[in-house]
Amino acid sequence: KNQVEQSPQSLIILEGKNCTLQCNYTVSPFSNLRWYKQDTGRGPVSLTIMTFSENTKSNGRYTATLDADTKQSSLHITASQLSDSASYICVVTLRNTGRRALTFGSGTRLQVQP
Amino acid sequence: DTGVSQDPRHKITKRGQNVTFRCDPISEHNRLYWYRQTLGQGPEFLTYFQNEAQLEKSRLLSDRFSAERPKGSFSTLEIQRTEQGDSAMYLCASSREESSYEQYFGPGTRLTVT
Repeated sequence: KNQVEQSPQSLIILEGKNCTLQCNYTVSPFSNLRWYKQDTGRGPVSLTIMTFSENTKSNGRYTATLDADTKQSSLHITASQLSDSASYICVVTLRNTGRRALTFGSGTRLQVQP
Repeated sequence: DTGVSQDPRHKITKRGQNVTFRCDPISEHNRLYWYRQTLGQGPEFLTYFQNEAQLEKSRLLSDRFSAERPKGSFSTLEIQRTEQGDSAMYLCASSREESSYEQYFGPGTRLTVT
């Protein structure tokens, strides 16, 4: 079972609308959580990063929230644009572990239509 | 361009052939990671290097896979006797040691095994 679960798996919205993507994680001890945007056929690009002491972080039209108690995060996209069409991946890093890699969710595939 | 680069971007090969991919990390990054990503899934960790030392390998990395980073700069990932199940996007990322969660991804190599 994946330790980072994302929902929905896919989402279609009209240009200009807002949307919210969800991420639940069970990995611990938690260090930080990131949201990545991945365009089709490209590598992931970081949008936001939050430590366990932060509960919100914005990057332009993207706003991420984190509730470390319930182990939930969300990514809110405001006034969506066609260029927002991509996969959005939630990534959790463990604290105090010998493993230097990240634990990825399966992503939410967002399609913004005109 | 000072980002992570990968070569080739696309590779089509017949089952049973060997393939080799190259990754050039950001020059001041001493950590380098390899991931595999299949359609609709998040990246899965394969292995990582600190300088020229390979510090961890995933169980996903069967004995047909080998990775090297001989001089602590670029890395190669070789797959021997390719199988159709090896078809995937192979992503490389790099980071500084002190900020291993701050990984920068390359564009990936798309492998198709026919």
